[in-house]
Amino acid sequence: DAGVIQSPRHEVTEMGQEVTLRCKPISGHDYLFWYRQTMMRGLELLIYFNNNVPIDDSGMPEDRFSAKMPNASFSTLKIQPSEPRDSAVYFCASSLGGPLHFGNGTRLTVT
Amino acid sequence: SQELEQSPQSLIVQEGKNLTINCTSSKTLYGLYWYKQKYGEGLIFLMMLQKGGEEKSHEKITAKLDEKKQQSSLHITASQPSHAGIYLCGAGVPDKLIFGTGTRLQVFP
Repeated sequence: DAGVIQSPRHEVTEMGQEVTLRCKPISGHDYLFWYRQTMMRGLELLIYFNNNVPIDDSGMPEDRFSAKMPNASFSTLKIQPSEPRDSAVYFCASSLGGPLHFGNGTRLTVT
Repeated sequence: SQELEQSPQSLIVQEGKNLTINCTSSKTLYGLYWYKQKYGEGLIFLMMLQKGGEEKSHEKITAKLDEKKQQSSLHITASQPSHAGIYLCGAGVPDKLIFGTGTRLQVFP
């Protein structure tokens, strides 16, 4: 089992650019979560899906953020346009309804 | 909304010492999860507690959930450098997981 796979591991971009983060959940898991981690705010839930359907996106900070899950094996988190305050580590996690399994995260830096 | 508060925020202990990390919820917990995070990596699942009074152990780490299901503690016996990292408690509400602010543990020889 390869675990949850996120790409890229690091992303550096300029303010105003579009950023797309990718996630491949563990095969067979029907829940997928996107989190953001910063020193100031800790680990925040952005959005989660069940069977590819978004269930709760109340944590998505603004309309600049959007997430999709076109199939059971792939999800994206897009930020357009990006801003310096979006700099953080973004984690994807998947589960069968119990403990979450996390990827190693994408460290995003917006300059 | 439910909130989780962890204490202490940071802990520095000498190798071999015991330590305890606490997690307090503003509401009754349906499920309490403990995770560990090393710098630059994702979170690793440690243990899950669901029943009031439940206690689980794995190697030198023991987690407990109080009878009222609003507080949990994580106890490490005879700490080692490999225990260093950030410990986070998470609460199921119920399908999604929210996390506490974390406790940063450093263990020095």
